Amino acid sequence: EPEVTQTPSHQVTQMGQEVILRCVPISNHLYFYWYRQILGQKVEFLVSFYNNEISEKSEIFDDQFSVERPDGSNFTLKIRSTKLEDSAMYFCASRIQGLQEKLFFGSGTQLSVL
Amino acid sequence: GESVGLHLPTLSVQEGDNSIINCAYSNSASDYFIWYKQESGKGPQFIIDIRSNMDKRQGQRVTVLLNKTVKHLSLQIAATQPGDSAVYFCAENIRAAGNKLTFGGGTRVLVKP
Repeated sequence: EPEVTQTPSHQVTQMGQEVILRCVPISNHLYFYWYRQILGQKVEFLVSFYNNEISEKSEIFDDQFSVERPDGSNFTLKIRSTKLEDSAMYFCASRIQGLQEKLFFGSGTQLSVL
Repeated sequence: GESVGLHLPTLSVQEGDNSIINCAYSNSASDYFIWYKQESGKGPQFIIDIRSNMDKRQGQRVTVLLNKTVKHLSLQIAATQPGDSAVYFCAENIRAAGNKLTFGGGTRVLVKP
């Protein structure tokens, strides 16, 4: 069964450093998402991406965050200057056009900012 | 992996019994609901969905019930198996507001052999 792949599974970084979280969505999917889950809290929407542009973003997704689809397979989330409160599990998700809400999630990247 | 300090409601169920997981949603404008299962170290896995024009939907060993009057959603798992042990999340969506899901807080299900 096709799946969303995320790398790395764990990322440790120093506060103020830039991190890039990588995702390979399912190959025929057209809509891409990033969600995050801070320890002890709910899964939260960050951003959606379609047709090479951001469709929607939450208030969490400030100027420190950016997303990119640099080629036909990868979808990345960049945090320019990490803060302690960015520590969370970050999930990438994708869906095929037409099946609007059924999102397929990756296994996540656990980001720890020290 | 396991989330130390995550205080989730926990449902302990005997293997073979039926499980019922409840979820209260907040937005009466939500028109689509999904249940996800999250096993340790993995991302949310789709289980079943239901649209707001339905009140019941059945899948393989799972049934979702929707009560829009009281904004309540439930997931019933028949003949619970050890592999059903996980955290279960409900999520809601307002399609007019885009396709971002709003997740509930989750319920941990522990299946006892």
